[in-house]
Amino acid sequence: GPKVLQIPSHQIIDMGQMVTLNCDPVSNHLYFYWYKQILGQQMEFLVNFYNGKVMEKSKLFKDQFSVERPDGSYFTLKIQPTALEDSAVYFCASSRLGGSSYEQYFGPGTRLTVL
Amino acid sequence: QQKVQQSPESLIVPEGGMASLNCTSSDRNVDYFWWYRQHSGKSPKMLMSIFSNGEKEEGRFTVHLNKASLHTSLHIRDSQPSDSALYLCAAMNYGSSGNKLIFGIGTLLSVKP
Repeated sequence: GPKVLQIPSHQIIDMGQMVTLNCDPVSNHLYFYWYKQILGQQMEFLVNFYNGKVMEKSKLFKDQFSVERPDGSYFTLKIQPTALEDSAVYFCASSRLGGSSYEQYFGPGTRLTVL
Repeated sequence: QQKVQQSPESLIVPEGGMASLNCTSSDRNVDYFWWYRQHSGKSPKMLMSIFSNGEKEEGRFTVHLNKASLHTSLHIRDSQPSDSALYLCAAMNYGSSGNKLIFGIGTLLSVKP
């Protein structure tokens, strides 16, 4: 079936550094998402991106976060600077179109550890 | 704040048995429920979705929805050890411009041979 890839699978960085998480969405999908999961808690929506713009973001999407997808390249989540509370697994997802009925396909996640 | 509650937190069933998982949303604007299965260290994979009252069956999996109570349940008959995984329920409401899924914490299912 369609696959979403995420690079890297693990990332360890020092607090205050910048980190970029990369996502390769399903090829014909137009909507892209980031979700955050802290250990032992539910997965939470961060942001949705379509046609070069952020459509909706949650309160977890702090000013230090940014997303982009330059043409033909990865959909990225950048955190600058990182904080201890950013340690989590970040899941990327994509869907062909928007709306409730379109399945979101998830990647395997990037485990980010901020020291 | 919208919440999705799942129960039980964990469940052990014998191989060949029936597993029943529950999920309720507190948001009356929810119009779609999704069930995902996540094996350890892997991507969540969509199992079934439902938006109409009633039930929907696909192979060994049946999902029910009661829109009045915003309660959905997933039933797995003839459970197999390969069904052992974390089952996530997610809800989406038609007011969401960002198509955000609101997830529950999941039910950890273990099927014992």
